[in-house]
Amino acid sequence: GDSVTQMEGPVTLSEEAFLTINCTYTATGYPSLFWYVQYPGEGLQLLLKATKADDKGSNKGFEATYRKETTSFHLEKGSVQVSDSAVYFCALSDGSGNTGKLIFGQGTTLQVKP
Amino acid sequence: DTEVTQTPKHLVMGMTNKKSLKCEQHMGHRAMYWYKQKAKKPPELMFVYSYEKLSINESVPSRFSPECPNSSLLNLHLHALQPEDSALYLCASSQDTSPRGGRGTQYFGPGTRLLVL
Repeated sequence: GDSVTQMEGPVTLSEEAFLTINCTYTATGYPSLFWYVQYPGEGLQLLLKATKADDKGSNKGFEATYRKETTSFHLEKGSVQVSDSAVYFCALSDGSGNTGKLIFGQGTTLQVKP
Repeated sequence: DTEVTQTPKHLVMGMTNKKSLKCEQHMGHRAMYWYKQKAKKPPELMFVYSYEKLSINESVPSRFSPECPNSSLLNLHLHALQPEDSALYLCASSQDTSPRGGRGTQYFGPGTRLLVL
């Protein structure tokens, strides 16, 4: 079945450092790919998405490119801030049917220190 | 506007109580979802409603009973819960359940944090 693998955390960075969180997937059909962010005590917020191969999603300085050849959707940011400290989830839509299901990775905790 | 609202924000209930969680969206979305999330874990899908009909029940115990009164509202009725049901309950909505073209992009509410004593 479809699956998402994220790099294990926690990831600890200093402010203004470069961020990469790796995400790879296995899927059938034509899934869309997503990054969600969850700040402490809150729900999930859609950070960015890509709906087809080679699409680049971007938002708030974060970027990720849908790479079908490497089955990856790595999240990057050039300069992180303390306010970016959160849990980041990579997810894909169930591309083999009309179920609406999202398949989530295990989440990566990011801590940014001043 | 991509807002999904949930009430209450926090809920404490005993194992014999009956309570309900409420979720609302005004984006014209025709698919709505309930998830359960334990600390430091990804959300687990519980139910999917598509065009106000229950389309997926992920083998959820009958002490959880979903209801979709109309296309904007989703309820989760709780009865005789167990302490292990304590979790963050998240509601989400999407345009529909299609994976194509981003129509299935899910927007989440802030959640209801439930504590069962």
